[in-house]
Amino acid sequence: ETGVTQTPRHLVMGMTNKKSLKCEQHLGHNAMYWYKQSAKKPLELMFVYNFKEQTENNSVPSRFSPECPNSSHLFLHLHTLQPEDSALYLCASSRPGLAGNEQFFGPGTRLTVL
Amino acid sequence: GQNIDQPTEMTATEGAIVQINCTYQTSGFNGLFWYQQHAGEAPTFLSYNVLDGLEEKGRFSSFLSRSKGYSYLLLKELQMKDSASYLCAVRVSPPDSNYQLIWGAGTKLIIKP
Repeated sequence: ETGVTQTPRHLVMGMTNKKSLKCEQHLGHNAMYWYKQSAKKPLELMFVYNFKEQTENNSVPSRFSPECPNSSHLFLHLHTLQPEDSALYLCASSRPGLAGNEQFFGPGTRLTVL
Repeated sequence: GQNIDQPTEMTATEGAIVQINCTYQTSGFNGLFWYQQHAGEAPTFLSYNVLDGLEEKGRFSSFLSRSKGYSYLLLKELQMKDSASYLCAVRVSPPDSNYQLIWGAGTKLIIKP
């Protein structure tokens, strides 16, 4: 257990569906991240939030919409996805300002878009 | 551009030693991380290097040479549970900011009895 939880663990959706991924961290961190992990590819950073403010959006398509209501919770809203969006979506949290402050990851949501 | 290279897959024998290399070319450098990821699980932190040299932590050691853009993870006395992917990541922004990590694609390590 890393202190970061994600739900659901698995999700299958059609291209016209709307769904949301949820992430919660119990570590008192103030930064949260969404990553996409595809097979044999590096982790792709999607969004970064610091103290609930979005500070990074790495050219992610608008069909992915993040929401961070507080420092402990992070959502990723999905709509009209494409089959190539099928991947493992990882949430992470960290506490900037400390040297060597690693990111703590959740177990991920395995997303399949049909 | 930003680039991190690691071997795609390695195989080693239980009880042996294995070295996983990572080379990087990035626009900035504020430390290098190694993470372990078992199949279907979250990546977990193994080590952090910001200065040149070797950091030892039990069976695992990590080495950094900033002038060469090179790091390695050394795993000793290999156990079957060490079968996992090992991810190398470089932090390219300052420590007091939300930091961007540039990730390698990971090295899948297979341990054989």
